[in-house]
Amino acid sequence: AQSVTQLDSQVPVFEEAPVELRCNYSSSVSVYLFWYVQYPNQGLQLLLKYLSGSTLVKGINGFEAEFNKSQTSFHLRKPSVHISDTAEYFCAAAGSGGSNYKLTFGKGTLLTVNP
Amino acid sequence: DAGVIQSPRHEVTEMGQEVTLRCKPISGHNSLFWYRQTMMRGLELLIYFNNNVPIDDSGMPEDRFSAKMPNASFSTLKIQPSEPRDSAVYFCASSAYGTSGASTDTQYFGPGTRLTVL
Repeated sequence: AQSVTQLDSQVPVFEEAPVELRCNYSSSVSVYLFWYVQYPNQGLQLLLKYLSGSTLVKGINGFEAEFNKSQTSFHLRKPSVHISDTAEYFCAAAGSGGSNYKLTFGKGTLLTVNP
Repeated sequence: DAGVIQSPRHEVTEMGQEVTLRCKPISGHNSLFWYRQTMMRGLELLIYFNNNVPIDDSGMPEDRFSAKMPNASFSTLKIQPSEPRDSAVYFCASSAYGTSGASTDTQYFGPGTRLTVL
């Protein structure tokens, strides 16, 4: 079964600083990887996804993530954050087999951007 | 596009009462998911429908929970009787399932229903 670990439950940063949110997954088969963002009192919104091909994936709002198969990681980065990036971020994985509809989510990382 | 619509947004009820949560997926989507979010367990998939048929209900906690999808534009999640431990945010999501596999298709989430059972 899939498992997804987000190593940091909270990440505080200052505005305009770079940020990296870490995500590791466990899988012995092909995997699809996702990052979602949840703003307060809202549903989840897809930031980006890795299905295949280039290991560097660019998403919305200036975020990008790099798929590293050898380290089973899919860390999310942004070179310069804004106050409006304050939200909870979820990493998720799905296998490529018969139950590939099933997203396994990490516990989330709360990103707080301070002025 | 209106996105996924959920109602009510907030529900407060007393233990033992029946609760019905409603979801309208995005028009044209043929996959629908119900999730539950709690501090302790995070986001969990409760049930997955494809073309209105329940495909995977292994995440439904117990017999008190039931879900239906009578047509492509409406689904309900019912809890009867409700218990305090059911307090959570319940999300509905929809996607357009492709022949290559549903996980490649973005799941669009509704705003959620915050349920409080006293």
